[in-house]
Amino acid sequence: DTAVSQTPKYLVTQMGNDKSIKCEQNLGHDTMYWYKQDSKKFLKIMFSYNNKELIINETVPNRFSPKSPDKAHLNLHINSLELGDSAVYFCASSQAGLVTEQFFGPGTRLTVL
Amino acid sequence: SQQGEEDPQALSIQEGENATMNCSYKTSINNLQWYRQNSGRGLVHLILIRSNEREKHSGRLRVTLDTSKKSSSLLITASRAADTASYFCATDYGNNRLAFGKGNQVVVIP
Repeated sequence: DTAVSQTPKYLVTQMGNDKSIKCEQNLGHDTMYWYKQDSKKFLKIMFSYNNKELIINETVPNRFSPKSPDKAHLNLHINSLELGDSAVYFCASSQAGLVTEQFFGPGTRLTVL
Repeated sequence: SQQGEEDPQALSIQEGENATMNCSYKTSINNLQWYRQNSGRGLVHLILIRSNEREKHSGRLRVTLDTSKKSSSLLITASRAADTASYFCATDYGNNRLAFGKGNQVVVIP
């Protein structure tokens, strides 16, 4: 069984469109994250939720809006997509904040044309 | 340099050899973690070392932490082709987030 799953795996879209990426974890973790990995593999945290509450909101354009309907799900909605949004987006979860390991999803490769 | 920066950034070795990667950071940490990323996949946690620990082992992996020098090293012994991946260190500064380094590409030649 997949521990952290993301859909879709690939997303190709035009500039200006709105898209969503979904994430689910079946590990019973309280904390979930969204990361962005650029073409140079630099990984940067975007958001973190603990038990459905937003605890980290990095300097991310407000076109990005996370939503956590329950502690097992964390979705990412992106409005008015721009070329610079092209990247791989990873969802991750951990049991108790950052003292323990994080479990990553397989990633969603977003390409904005 | 970037917090949690690995050095060197690309390493090519023969199967059976050891691979060593270093990571430096800037301020005090709670713990430091190493992750592996295979091409096209998500990151996988390898090992966590706490600030009061100096060395940790897990199978063929050995991690050291020198808090006086603010650096850590990851040693992979007797490398295998399956070890080909990017390796990231990540530091926990206690501010609810991990700071990831740029990653270290390791290629193990069969």
